[in-house]
Amino acid sequence: DAKTTQPNSMESNEEEPVHLPCNHSTISGTDYIHWYRQLPSQGPEYVIHGLTSNVNNRMASLAIAEDRKSSTLILHRATLRDAAVYYCILRGYSGAGSYQLTFGKGTKLSVIP
Amino acid sequence: EPEVTQTPSHQVTQMGQEVILRCVPISNHLYFYWYRQILGQKVEFLVSFYNNEISEKSEIFDDQFSVERPDGSNFTLKIRSTKLEDSAMYFCASSEPGPGYEQYFGPGTRLTVT
Repeated sequence: DAKTTQPNSMESNEEEPVHLPCNHSTISGTDYIHWYRQLPSQGPEYVIHGLTSNVNNRMASLAIAEDRKSSTLILHRATLRDAAVYYCILRGYSGAGSYQLTFGKGTKLSVIP
Repeated sequence: EPEVTQTPSHQVTQMGQEVILRCVPISNHLYFYWYRQILGQKVEFLVSFYNNEISEKSEIFDDQFSVERPDGSNFTLKIRSTKLEDSAMYFCASSEPGPGYEQYFGPGTRLTVT
């Protein structure tokens, strides 16, 4: 899977929007952009994913640059429960028929009350 | 909402003992995975399983590890002879096939080897 680059940490005030950036300049045309998060002492949790178009779901929005070399996860109103490590992961087709996730260090989001 | 379950939540074992970690993936999923996370470190891929066989494994997944789907619902990870360095959180996950599908993770089993 192609490499992604994320800031180590970010802070946000509660109830304000958060924009978490991810750079993936070596993304291939068939790579999906996935976001997961891991709350303290829990397993990873799926947040959102997309291929080319921006995506919205009940948890977040994903804005994908036109050249697909970067993306931004948007939490519209941060809550204390959103404090977690957020991972941006690319997933492409695998000849081995396996679609495992390769986790980096992610961005640790702190939410200030 | 469907979820992946794992048992036990915490397992303590002595070095050299065998342990089996159990997972029940989401029922209509076809791909199953094990990951581990040593305290304070990244989540690491161990193995993926599809169609009753391993589809890919990492360097961590050596001969002391094995996986099995003994029936239509359970997916197990066996560690034959545990070492101190096997102490970690072990997460099971499942997904539908293809890179455009999300993976669902279980809550994890904390393995402590003494």
